[in-house]
Amino acid sequence: QSALTQEASVSGTVGQRVTLSCTGNRNNFGSYPVGWYQQISHGPPKAVMYGSSLPSGIPARFSVSKSGTTVSLTISGLQPDDEANYYCSTWDSSLGAWVFGGGTKLTVL
Amino acid sequence: QMQLQESGPGLVKPSETLSLTCSVSRYSIFGDNYWNWIRQSPGEELEWIGSVYHSGRTYYNASLNSRATIEIDTSKSEFSLKLTSVTAADTAVYYCASEGGRSGNRYFDSWGQGILVTVSS
Repeated sequence: QSALTQEASVSGTVGQRVTLSCTGNRNNFGSYPVGWYQQISHGPPKAVMYGSSLPSGIPARFSVSKSGTTVSLTISGLQPDDEANYYCSTWDSSLGAWVFGGGTKLTVL
Repeated sequence: QMQLQESGPGLVKPSETLSLTCSVSRYSIFGDNYWNWIRQSPGEELEWIGSVYHSGRTYYNASLNSRATIEIDTSKSEFSLKLTSVTAADTAVYYCASEGGRSGNRYFDSWGQGILVTVSS
C-alpha cells in the first residue's frame, strides 16, 4: 500500500481542465514539497512539478495547489500528449525515505 | 543535459545478488546531487531503494531490510546497486535517478531509461 494516495484514474477531453490529487499525512506533507512525475507508455518518469515550481521545459498549463494534507495537480488546456500515468512523491520524515503515490492514469478522450 | 544509463544482467536467480551500475554523463558526479536507485514493480508501483552522495554517504529504504548497498565510483562517474538474497518480489524495472534542486525543495530531475531485472531460476 502506497504511503501517498492517488485516484486510480482520471479522464478529460482535449482543452478541458483536470485535477489529480495526492493525499498524505503530517509526516510526509508536513514540511517537504511534493513532486509530480509523468510516465508515458512505460518510459522513464519525468518531473512536471516540484513544490510549486515548473522544471525547465514544462508548460505553465501545469499548476499545483494544497489544502491540508492533499496536494492537487491541475492540468489546463488538456492535450493528447498529456495522456500518461502521474505519480506524486515526497520525503517522509518519519520513514526517512522518499515515498510515492500509487499513480493516476490520465486518459485524454 | 545530464544522461544516466543503467547496465547489468536482466536475469538473476533467486537467493543470488542483483548488481546494477549507473553511468553518469554530461554532468559532474561531484555536483550537489544525490544519486538514487528507484524501482517499479510489474504492478507499476514506484519504490525508492536508496541514494548516495559523491562523498560516499548513503541513505536506504528500511523496507529492504539492509539487503541493498549503493556505492559510488567518482573516477568512473558511476554508482552501483547491489541487492542480496533476491526473490521474485524483486522483479522490477530498476531506474537510476538524479536528485537535484535547491535545499528543501529537491526532486528527481533526471532518470535513466530503466532496466528490467527478472528474478527467476
